Amino acid sequence: QSALTQPPSASGSPGQSVTISCTGTSSDVGGYNYVSWYQQHPGKAPKLMIYEVNKRPSGVPDRFSGSKSGSTASLTVSGLQAEDEADYYCSSYAGSNNVVFGGGTKLTVL
Amino acid sequence: QVQLVQSGAEVKKPGASVTVSCKASGYTFTSFDINWVRQATGQGLEWMGWMNSNSGNTGFAQKFQGRVTMTRNTSISTAYMELSSLRSEDTAVYYCARARTGTDFDPWGQGTLVTVSS
Repeated sequence: QSALTQPPSASGSPGQSVTISCTGTSSDVGGYNYVSWYQQHPGKAPKLMIYEVNKRPSGVPDRFSGSKSGSTASLTVSGLQAEDEADYYCSSYAGSNNVVFGGGTKLTVL
Repeated sequence: QVQLVQSGAEVKKPGASVTVSCKASGYTFTSFDINWVRQATGQGLEWMGWMNSNSGNTGFAQKFQGRVTMTRNTSISTAYMELSSLRSEDTAVYYCARARTGTDFDPWGQGTLVTVSS
């Protein structure tokens, strides 16, 4: 499977909103509502932020939200805070018990 | 609390094999799949495969088929990932992660650095 496509970088000022896209195909993102988003700070393990397109695990601020349209999923971070600066990765179920990740997006808080 | 603790860093020569362990605590080990994901330095996440912790059934990304083995010891709530025929491109941090409801991974282990060098 090919990796999902994410922009390499995104940025926003504190308090602003930023949206990160994740584009796949009908065989992964477009075919299943099993898109997840992970936050990774330098030197740390990834942390689940969104699952099943738009669900937040307990403890994740409601500033983080997810959506999907066709084969493109999106993560929106509202009310940007300094601690949101990190790498973000999307993932999707890709059929036949396979999972595929995006290439990652570095979010910078200006 | 739910936690995955991995074994320590490894240095291996090309052609060798490496086994990374992942000890689970805070939940019923056999109730959730364990997935393995790796990350080369400065690169993105790469899914390697999954294991049903109850049955031991496994599935691997095509890239790793024939080179990876995933096993478990339910008596000590520990999963193992063995990668063989190592090459320099296998140098990476290897993570185990619990699959909560399917393909959402939470939590993750702390990662194990595997360095392949002659």
